[in-house]
Amino acid sequence: KAGVTQTPRYLIKTRGQQVTLSCSPISGHRSVSWYQQTPGQGLQFLFEYFSETQRNKGNFPGRFSGRQFSNSRSEMNVSTLELGDSALYLCASSLPGGDSDTQYFGPGTRLTVL
Amino acid sequence: AQSVTQLDSHVSVSEGTPVLLRCNYSSSYSPSLFWYVQHPNKGLQLLLKYTSAATLVKGINGFEAEFKKSETSFHLTKPSAHMSDAAEYFCVVSDQGDDKIIFGKGTRLHILP
Repeated sequence: KAGVTQTPRYLIKTRGQQVTLSCSPISGHRSVSWYQQTPGQGLQFLFEYFSETQRNKGNFPGRFSGRQFSNSRSEMNVSTLELGDSALYLCASSLPGGDSDTQYFGPGTRLTVL
Repeated sequence: AQSVTQLDSHVSVSEGTPVLLRCNYSSSYSPSLFWYVQHPNKGLQLLLKYTSAATLVKGINGFEAEFKKSETSFHLTKPSAHMSDAAEYFCVVSDQGDDKIIFGKGTRLHILP
């Protein structure tokens, strides 16, 4: 089975621009979560989607948004980029049901904001 | 509320010697506990998961962890370190009664030749 894939792997943007990151979960997985990882703050939860609905949300400003499509693929969007948004953005998918808390991570998208 | 504390931000061991990465947790319900590993510029990989079936959990790459309820600990061990084990390790707790997954701040493992 193919793992979680994220595109693009690397991205360079300038302040004020917006960016869209994509995540394709493992086949059969219906939950997709997004995390931001920085050296200073570590891993921080952004949001989780299940069956096209946002189920949980972390403490991030409204500039961070996401969505999930009917095939469980997910996108996250960051508008009006700030220097502090530079980070590794990780996507994780999980199965529905009893093992739903076991997450499988993609390789991440490294976003650099100049 | 649940929380997880990784007691060491950095651990250095010599190749061939035992590894111990410490993790303490707090949980209101019956927790699931995980260890993940992250190699440089990679995503997180699941090492092992505890769900209450057995207190000693064996994972991949020779790692294991023991759930000790009395000590609220879930330390990760490996008998003999290998250079390829150099990475960052995350302890994670998930409560059955709370729909949240909490990550520790990570422990960076350095392997000395």
